[in-house]
Amino acid sequence: GDSVTQMEGPVTLSEEAFLTINCTYTATGYPSLFWYVQYPGEGLQLLLKATKADDKGSNKGFEATYRKETTSFHLEKGSVQVSDSAVYFCALKGTSYGKLTFGQGTILTVHP
Amino acid sequence: DAMVIQNPRYQVTQFGKPVTLSCSQTLNHNVMYWYQQKSSQAPKLLFHYYDKDFNNEADTPDNFQSRRPNTSFCFLDIRSPGLGDAAMYLCATSLKAGTGTFFGQGTRLTVV
Repeated sequence: GDSVTQMEGPVTLSEEAFLTINCTYTATGYPSLFWYVQYPGEGLQLLLKATKADDKGSNKGFEATYRKETTSFHLEKGSVQVSDSAVYFCALKGTSYGKLTFGQGTILTVHP
Repeated sequence: DAMVIQNPRYQVTQFGKPVTLSCSQTLNHNVMYWYQQKSSQAPKLLFHYYDKDFNNEADTPDNFQSRRPNTSFCFLDIRSPGLGDAAMYLCATSLKAGTGTFFGQGTRLTVV
């Protein structure tokens, strides 16, 4: 079945540091890939997405590129802010009725 | 703004006492989902509606039921909540042919 693996966390960075959160997936067919962000006590917000190989999703300074050859969708940001502190989930949506399969989540803490 | 709205944000129920969580959407999306998210874990799909068709995940306990009286509303019923059912419950929607999935802010359920 479909699965998503994220790098183990938590991740702690200083403000303006470079961020990478690794995500790899296993799926049949050609899934769509997503990054969601969850702030404490809140639901999930769609951060960015990519629907086919070599697509780059971007939003609010975050980027991720759909790499089919390495089955990866790593999240990057050049300069993090304290307000980026949250839990980040990588997810895929396969062909089956739009079900999202999530990675285990990565807690990001950014210090001033 | 169009959105997915969950009520209440926080719900406290007694062990064994039936409880209903509600979700409404103004996006006019065909598909509605209920996810369960326990502390520090990824969301887990319980079931979804594809228009009026109900689809249960194989490992969703019988204790969980759902109703969708119309396109805009969906309810999650927990018939006899146990302590292990304490979690964040997330409602989400998507278009039949689209790739984006939009989440509500969640209902935090506490069982006492």
